[in-house]
Amino acid sequence: DAGITQSPRHKVTETGTPVTLRCHQTENHRYMYWYRQDPGHGLRLIHYSYGVKDTDKGEVSDGYSVSRSKTEDFLLTLESATSSQTSVYFCAISGSPRGANVLTFGAGSRLTVL
Amino acid sequence: GIQVEQSPPDLILQEGANSTLRCNFSDSVNNLQWFHQNPWGQLINLFYIPSGTKQNGRLSATTVATERYSLLYISSSQTTDSGVYFCAVEPEYGGATNKLIFGTGTLLAVQP
Repeated sequence: DAGITQSPRHKVTETGTPVTLRCHQTENHRYMYWYRQDPGHGLRLIHYSYGVKDTDKGEVSDGYSVSRSKTEDFLLTLESATSSQTSVYFCAISGSPRGANVLTFGAGSRLTVL
Repeated sequence: GIQVEQSPPDLILQEGANSTLRCNFSDSVNNLQWFHQNPWGQLINLFYIPSGTKQNGRLSATTVATERYSLLYISSSQTTDSGVYFCAVEPEYGGATNKLIFGTGTLLAVQP
């Protein structure tokens, strides 16, 4: 996880509350991603960013928004959390200045929505 | 969208055995990577292999892009190889998006 920090690592919240997960990288990679992992579904892409203020939707974007105001930070927001958003959320980066497209993951954030 | 299927879904090995994991994908891809998720949830990139063959110690991978499959070989397996192995691809259609789509994984348990 060197160079990628996710916060918080664990969070328990109640249905209807807003939640923001933060991903911070020190690798100066161009691309940043948010995935969720659920049993039986593997990892599914929520949103990704291809530069500052440039984002796009993934496979399961409903109920989520993202922002990237700096190269190093990518925020995932659940405006009104639901129980179906209980999951483990992984941030990832790729696109090093050397051009490699290898995907590197953070340690994950476990979110429980009661 | 592209379909990514991994087989077998589950595999139990005795320590020292060899194994082959397979990833089939339904469309042409720009990018294919293999990952290992250990029992503590950490995801580690094993190979970036859109085509050809690569080796890293006891692990090797081969992608035959024209036939839309990739294989991950584990030789002389160790208990530390346990976990879930994921294949992920970037579809060629839509251009170079750098968005990887994951298969559902192969759960490997290596017994001492």
